[in-house]
Amino acid sequence: AQSVTQLDSQVPVFEEAPVELRCNYSSSVSVYLFWYVQYPNQGLQLLLKYLSGSTLVKGINGFEAEFNKSQTSFHLRKPSVHISDTAEYFCAVSDPGGTSYGKLTFGQGTILTVHP
Amino acid sequence: NAGVTQTPKFQVLKTGQSMTLQCAQDMNHNSMYWYRQDPGMGLRLIYYSASEGTTDKGEVPNGYNVSRLNKREFSLRLESAAPSQTSVYFCASSRRPGQNTEAFFGQGTRLTVV
Repeated sequence: AQSVTQLDSQVPVFEEAPVELRCNYSSSVSVYLFWYVQYPNQGLQLLLKYLSGSTLVKGINGFEAEFNKSQTSFHLRKPSVHISDTAEYFCAVSDPGGTSYGKLTFGQGTILTVHP
Repeated sequence: NAGVTQTPKFQVLKTGQSMTLQCAQDMNHNSMYWYRQDPGMGLRLIYYSASEGTTDKGEVPNGYNVSRLNKREFSLRLESAAPSQTSVYFCASSRRPGQNTEAFFGQGTRLTVV
């Protein structure tokens, strides 16, 4: 079974500083990778996804992530954060195979808090 | 454009009571899912429906049942609620089995069982 580990449960950072949220997954086969964001009392919104091709993926709100197959990682980065980026971020993986039916396995979540 | 709509948004149940969480999507998606979110555990899959007329268990199905009423609607039922089912429940949908476009999520139902 797949598993996803988000290495930091909480990340505090000051406004305009860079941030990296770390995600590792356990799978020896091809995977699809996703980052979702959850603002307080809301549902999950897709930030970006890696399906194939370029290992550097750009998403919404200035976020990007790099797929590293050898390290089985998919870390999320932003060069300069804003107060409005304060939220919980989830890394997720799914099996590209047809019988996976789009089921997602999520990491534990990382709470990003941006301080003024 | 409503996307995925869940009702109710909040619910308090007494132990042993039953209830049904409703979910509807207006994106003509084939696949639908129910997840629960607990602090420090991320989201875990309860049940899913790959297409209309089919349902299957996910990672944590015990204590729950589901019904795929039609292509739009996918409900989750708690027959006899327990405090361990206190959680935030999310319904999601995606376009087609195996196509692996992203899942779209509802706003969640916050359930407390006392």
